[in-house]
Amino acid sequence: QKEVEQDPGPLSVPEGAIVSLNCTYSNSAFQYFMWYRQYSRKGPELLMYTYSSGNKEDGRFTAQVDKSSKYISLFIRDSQPSDSATYLCAMNDQGAQKLVFGQGTRLTINP
Amino acid sequence: GAVVSQHPSWVICKSGTSVKIECRSLDFQATTMFWYRQFPKKSLMLMATSNEGSKATYEQGVEKDKFLINHASLTLSTLTVTSAHPEDSSFYICSALDRNEQFFGPGTRLTVL
Repeated sequence: QKEVEQDPGPLSVPEGAIVSLNCTYSNSAFQYFMWYRQYSRKGPELLMYTYSSGNKEDGRFTAQVDKSSKYISLFIRDSQPSDSATYLCAMNDQGAQKLVFGQGTRLTINP
Repeated sequence: GAVVSQHPSWVICKSGTSVKIECRSLDFQATTMFWYRQFPKKSLMLMATSNEGSKATYEQGVEKDKFLINHASLTLSTLTVTSAHPEDSSFYICSALDRNEQFFGPGTRLTVL
């Protein structure tokens, strides 16, 4: 079993839809959870950073962490074509050191 | 946010040659940098952790004699793929640690013929 599981998609939704992206993990020691966005042939850029459980909101993006279920989510409201990218979850127990990444979900927002 | 650059952005080389990839933190000093490898439609796989002034720490299964890492200054880490073979063709991405966040470079696409 992989430490972090993420559905690779692809996921295609119409513009304006709410998008839900998810990851599950097996290591209960994980406390730091991140979501990265990666455009084709580019490096990942950090979208959201959450410590422990709870919700965090930033503009159209909301990150949720449920440590009891070992489940994290990223919601995108009012999705735009520019949101089309691969979204990677990442996590560890040491802050930003040695991140463990999910496989990434390829998302396409159709105009 | 902090900016990390990589050079070159893409490289094609013949089998058996060596290729050097540079990773630079442009507006901050990074004592720790990371090197990742990413296959098409796959996630990032950590290859090694590079610490300024000391030897790199390699992940299990990564050949340290094949993937040479040098972190000689606080703004530069290099990855040299020695005696490259077609199976080394991949997208190599570095990141630099600034406080408690990793900032990623744009990646280098290596194609070995």
